[in-house]
Amino acid sequence: DAGITQSPRYKITETGRQVTLMCHQTWSHSYMFWYRQDLGHGLRLIYYSAAADITDKGEVPDGYVVSRSKTENFPLTLESATRSQTSVYFCASSARTGGLNTEAFFGQGTRLTVV
Amino acid sequence: SQELEQSPQSLIVQEGKNLTINCTSSKTLYGLYWYKQKYGEGLIFLMMLQKGGEEKSHEKITAKLDEKKQQSSLHITASQPSHAGIYLCGADRSFGNEKLTFGTGTRLTIIP
Repeated sequence: DAGITQSPRYKITETGRQVTLMCHQTWSHSYMFWYRQDLGHGLRLIYYSAAADITDKGEVPDGYVVSRSKTENFPLTLESATRSQTSVYFCASSARTGGLNTEAFFGQGTRLTVV
Repeated sequence: SQELEQSPQSLIVQEGKNLTINCTSSKTLYGLYWYKQKYGEGLIFLMMLQKGGEEKSHEKITAKLDEKKQQSSLHITASQPSHAGIYLCGADRSFGNEKLTFGTGTRLTIIP
């Protein structure tokens, strides 16, 4: 099915564990983004990627690692999860035209709880 | 810190009433996007504004980008229960800047 999918939808993990959130898109969009959503903060950009093998930091990158070996996949890894990383994580993809983002498509989100 | 500020943070409106949500940036906006999020779900694109003074409408929702391109407003006419949710503005803050960043969001509740 066409679209952008995140997995898992829900995840509970313990402090200190490594956890990877997956994001897959079928449009071959060049740009992909990871956000976290917390009450009172809106959506904050963690990392983004302009193309395969090109990634860059967003507003809140500390404690996270990303990779993009294939255009369609953009996994987000929490190397050693902390309780402050409890959040809802959204992945998005977009094309770019004329130097600006076009409509970004969002996944359904992953609700991560770190205990 | 968040560079896109939205106001109000929350809004409770009686069904049928009009309402306005504002998005303000301290810097010039090169692309301004409005999204809606239903509780517990992903974001849905509403519209994009690029030019100063630009105005777009979709059904009962109208968005404007001011001439200086530092503020946008989202206006809903004759609100309905289906309008309830969280509205977020997103922006490209410089031409060619690849980051798509968002404001703090406005939670809209519609009461019968």
